[in-house]
Amino acid sequence: SQQGEEDPQALSIQEGENATMNCSYKTSINNLQWYRQNSGRGLVHLILIRSNEREKHSGRLRVTLDTSKKSSSLLITASRAADTASYFCATDDSYNTDKLIFGTGTRLQVFP
Amino acid sequence: DAGVIQSPRHEVTEMGQEVTLRCKPISGHNSLFWYRQTMMRGLELLIYFNNNVPIDDSGMPEDRFSAKMPNASFSTLKIQPSEPRDSAVYFCASSPSTSNPDTQYFGPGTRLTVL
Repeated sequence: SQQGEEDPQALSIQEGENATMNCSYKTSINNLQWYRQNSGRGLVHLILIRSNEREKHSGRLRVTLDTSKKSSSLLITASRAADTASYFCATDDSYNTDKLIFGTGTRLQVFP
Repeated sequence: DAGVIQSPRHEVTEMGQEVTLRCKPISGHNSLFWYRQTMMRGLELLIYFNNNVPIDDSGMPEDRFSAKMPNASFSTLKIQPSEPRDSAVYFCASSPSTSNPDTQYFGPGTRLTVL
């Protein structure tokens, strides 16, 4: 079963705009990761945030984590056409930390 | 590093046939994961190995599916007999360790179509 639910399911924006995607999950976690999937490709890891962290940055990416609300957000600033992809959050399972459980994904389309 | 290698990239077969998907993880990685992705069900973990040993196969849909990892550099996922509902993209991923889970590195996937 899926742990995370991304919102929105799909997002269309113009180049230069910011894109925000949200992820909600159900159980306690140790950390949360975000992955990107380009069409026809495998997933690529973007960023990991631990449960004791509230915000993390990597280049144009900003991730926040609110464990009290069991939610996370991924912000892509100054988006580019190359950012067009699906974005997934993934959480570990506090009962079995060996594996990740992926959310349903947000499909982002950035128009030039 | 070549990354995770999967073969074949595309497979078209007829219902009832045996299908074998192959994966070569990144050298030095201790964990290997098999996922299935469909539009309806999203990305599902089927099975994962740690140091070549199957740890959790609770995601394997039924007895028609089996996976092996005979050594640290090779794994197979077999479906026999295949059915049209098995049509999906199958991904293999590896990670350096299982400590608190690590980043996973995905292969390009095998797109399976069962007619």
